[in-house]
Amino acid sequence: SYELTQPPSVSVSPGQTARITCSGDALPKKYAYWYQQKSGQAPVLVIYEDSKRPSGIPERFSGSSSGTMATLTISGAQVEDEADYYCYSTDSSGNHRVFGTGTKVTVL
Amino acid sequence: EVQLVESGGGLIQPGGSLRLSCAASGFTVSSNYMSWVRQAPGKGLEWVSVIYSGGSTYYADSVKGRFTISRDNSKNTLYLQMNSLRAEDTAVYYCARERDSNGAAYFDYWGQGTLVTVSS
Repeated sequence: SYELTQPPSVSVSPGQTARITCSGDALPKKYAYWYQQKSGQAPVLVIYEDSKRPSGIPERFSGSSSGTMATLTISGAQVEDEADYYCYSTDSSGNHRVFGTGTKVTVL
Repeated sequence: EVQLVESGGGLIQPGGSLRLSCAASGFTVSSNYMSWVRQAPGKGLEWVSVIYSGGSTYYADSVKGRFTISRDNSKNTLYLQMNSLRAEDTAVYYCARERDSNGAAYFDYWGQGTLVTVSS
């Protein structure tokens, strides 16, 4: 079955830039999406269609995709950005949804 | 206002069955793609199943043949029938509405989740 691979953890100091990668064979043809999940809460969409930011999401969140890798960048990370981040996409058929393995972002 | 409210979770023995419900308000379930997503304790998100507005259904390999997704249009409710439950099915189960995205789809609204615990 299709998989999306992320690093388990990323640590960054406040105000620095955090980058989270997501690798998947279908990403050249399928959009990547990024969800933020804080403890005990439902996920929140922070990036859609590779690089678009939903309304209400701070400008410090940005996304890009090239080849088989998508990247979420948090520029000037804040303490409140500490959370688990998941990339999301579909397999080549478009019928099976897949979440990435998840990345825990620590800001300290 | 869009709302999704799951119910039906609980403690169930291995091999047992359980049906989860997701009552929707603020939109029509049958006009949207709807999915179930689960999260085992301390683990990541796992997509479980989707039902398209046209009625087609798809499942993750881990639940195919054991789980069935359905909807009741008159009640505007989504269901997940779970049979032959295993310990590894223990998770918080979320229902989520999908939004069309240039030929793809992503989850734009989520319920609060319902916990299913499979244990003897």
